[in-house]
Amino acid sequence: DQQVKQNSPSLSVQEGRISILNCDYTNSMFDYFLWYKKYPAEGPTFLISISSIKDKNEDGRFTVFLNKSAKHLSLHIVPSQPGDSAVYFCAASSYGGATNKLIFGTGTLLAVQP
Amino acid sequence: DVKVTQSSRYLVKRTGEKVFLECVQDMDHENMFWYRQDPGLGLRLIYFSYDVKMKEKGDIPEGYSVSREKKERFSLILESASTNQTSMYLCASSWERGRSSYEQYFGPGTRLTVT
Repeated sequence: DQQVKQNSPSLSVQEGRISILNCDYTNSMFDYFLWYKKYPAEGPTFLISISSIKDKNEDGRFTVFLNKSAKHLSLHIVPSQPGDSAVYFCAASSYGGATNKLIFGTGTLLAVQP
Repeated sequence: DVKVTQSSRYLVKRTGEKVFLECVQDMDHENMFWYRQDPGLGLRLIYFSYDVKMKEKGDIPEGYSVSREKKERFSLILESASTNQTSMYLCASSWERGRSSYEQYFGPGTRLTVT
């Protein structure tokens, strides 16, 4: 069973427009969510995160929204730039256990067209 | 800046060979992780370690083992490589549980091909 789902394998947007990447989760014990960006042949790099006590977190062009009742989070990129073209993974964590494991979604490939 | 390094970027091995993938981090992180990334499957956790000589199985540990003799180094071992272990392998590290940040820092990855 997949606890973190990214239902859109790919997304194409025009440069300057908004990119919206979506993520759904099933485990209500998740209390921290992260977005990672990955270029080909490189490791993922951390982009932005949000705690479950918040519903929005903003960092420059990137904003993450969390809707706990719907178990849904989204990443907004405004304005989109060609350099944003990459695979985006959402991840979720729950407090407890031996350490802070992250559960990753399957990723969404974003292509920003010039 | 946090630095996580992996011993090889690309590796080609034959079926049945024993394969060692090495990972080193320079941030004194307590936790270290090994993932594999496959198209359409995202990142799947193989093993992780929260202290020296401590290890726990992740979601897909079969066919793999790990070793953590020093805090900064975490090794992934494929005892007898098989073609279905052809994948991108990613190492990551993070602070211990209870810290404010859950962020994991990733290495550049090793693309392993088993023929």
